[in-house]
Amino acid sequence: EVQLVESGGGLVKPGGSLRLSCAASGFTFSIAWMSWVRQAPGKGLEWVGRIKTKTDGGTTDYAAPVKDRFIISRDDSKTTLFLQMNSLKTEDTAVYYCTTDCSGGSCFGYWGQGTLVTVSS
Amino acid sequence: DIQMTQSPSSLSASVGDRVTITCRASQTISSHLHWYQQKPGKAPKLLIYAASSLQSGVPSRFSGSGSGTDFTLTITSLQPEDFATYYCQQSYSTPPTFGGGTKVEIK
Repeated sequence: EVQLVESGGGLVKPGGSLRLSCAASGFTFSIAWMSWVRQAPGKGLEWVGRIKTKTDGGTTDYAAPVKDRFIISRDDSKTTLFLQMNSLKTEDTAVYYCTTDCSGGSCFGYWGQGTLVTVSS
Repeated sequence: DIQMTQSPSSLSASVGDRVTITCRASQTISSHLHWYQQKPGKAPKLLIYAASSLQSGVPSRFSGSGSGTDFTLTITSLQPEDFATYYCQQSYSTPPTFGGGTKVEIK
């Protein structure tokens, strides 16, 4: 059974940093493209960014609102995905979901339960 | 970025009703369109991928159609557990983008 378990959310002040983790199990993590998707309170879904497999270069892509502030990384030996969030803004307040990309980075096949990040003074 | 527009934004329906939700892309996306269901306080769940392929384990009352710019999600006989918010998402180009959602409520 595929499991994605996010952790690391919490309350942080504007300008602060936070690191989210996503522990994966039940599938071969090293061959999976992974994404982060967020959802502001009462709002829709927004893709944050993606990391490809090492075989595919391990490259990352980011949504414009987070580019140059957020960094996605992965530790295949620990089957864990990370999201380093820097220079946080109030508009980054959201539930952050870890997801597995379907083949070729198309759909988002499996989702974690999400972790809430609140940016407020 | 490709804009995805869903309609309606909400609808009220009864158990047993046929429900249709529409998603329109701002440019052609071939069949790179996927549908998700989200219940309150829960993560989204993939229902349909590549416009019309049913994800494993999803009931056959759900179906998807369309290509190019116009797509449809149909629920043939609405069940109590189907009351939720539905999102479409395109993967034709990066960044992947979602529609604004359609909330299906009980009439």
